[in-house]
Amino acid sequence: DGGITQSPKYLFRKEGQNVTLSCEQNLNHDAMYWYRQDPGQGLRLIYYSQIVNDFQKGDIAEGYSVSREKKESFPLTVTSAQKNPTAFYLCASSLGTSLSTDTQYFGPGTRLTVL
Amino acid sequence: AQSVTQPDIHITVSEGASLELRCNYSYGATPYLFWYVQSPGQGLQLLLKYFSGDTLVQGIKGFEAEFKRSQSSFNLRKPSVHWSDAAEYFCAVGASASGFQKLVFGTGTRLLVSP
Repeated sequence: DGGITQSPKYLFRKEGQNVTLSCEQNLNHDAMYWYRQDPGQGLRLIYYSQIVNDFQKGDIAEGYSVSREKKESFPLTVTSAQKNPTAFYLCASSLGTSLSTDTQYFGPGTRLTVL
Repeated sequence: AQSVTQPDIHITVSEGASLELRCNYSYGATPYLFWYVQSPGQGLQLLLKYFSGDTLVQGIKGFEAEFKRSQSSFNLRKPSVHWSDAAEYFCAVGASASGFQKLVFGTGTRLLVSP
């Protein structure tokens, strides 16, 4: 079954702790993305990676870090520097980064709650 | 900067009735426009997209959208709503930044379907 896997579905952490969210895809896509979703707001881009071993900051990268050591994996670390980390995090991937030809496919998301 | 406005936070429609969800965009040139649907606690699924050509676009699940340049709108429609259509709907516009094409999302419209 091809798709995007995010784990865990729910994550609870204490304030001040770093936490890493997993995103794996078996679609052989080059590009991967992390979005943050808050109630009443649209999705906002945190980081994106157009190809393995390369990634770029999106619109709200402060307090987050990523790595792209493997084509199929794009983990997101929410650091203690992120002032308001409680949110729903969505990972996506696409074959390339042309919006006219490359559809972004989304994972089921991870809901992070910081206590 | 490119932006998207979805003026309706919630809409309630009776099952079998028609549906129209509004989306207005801000963009100088011909935009790339998208509609995504998100079921509760899930990722997003692409319903349809517009790049050029015929201004009436057909999508999956019986949805269609019409691009109206004069009104800067890209409203989503469905002639007869089913209970399974209850979800949150996001309009998005493609935006270019430093040679990268990204999606800019609206704040979403939650569709409730009454019996």
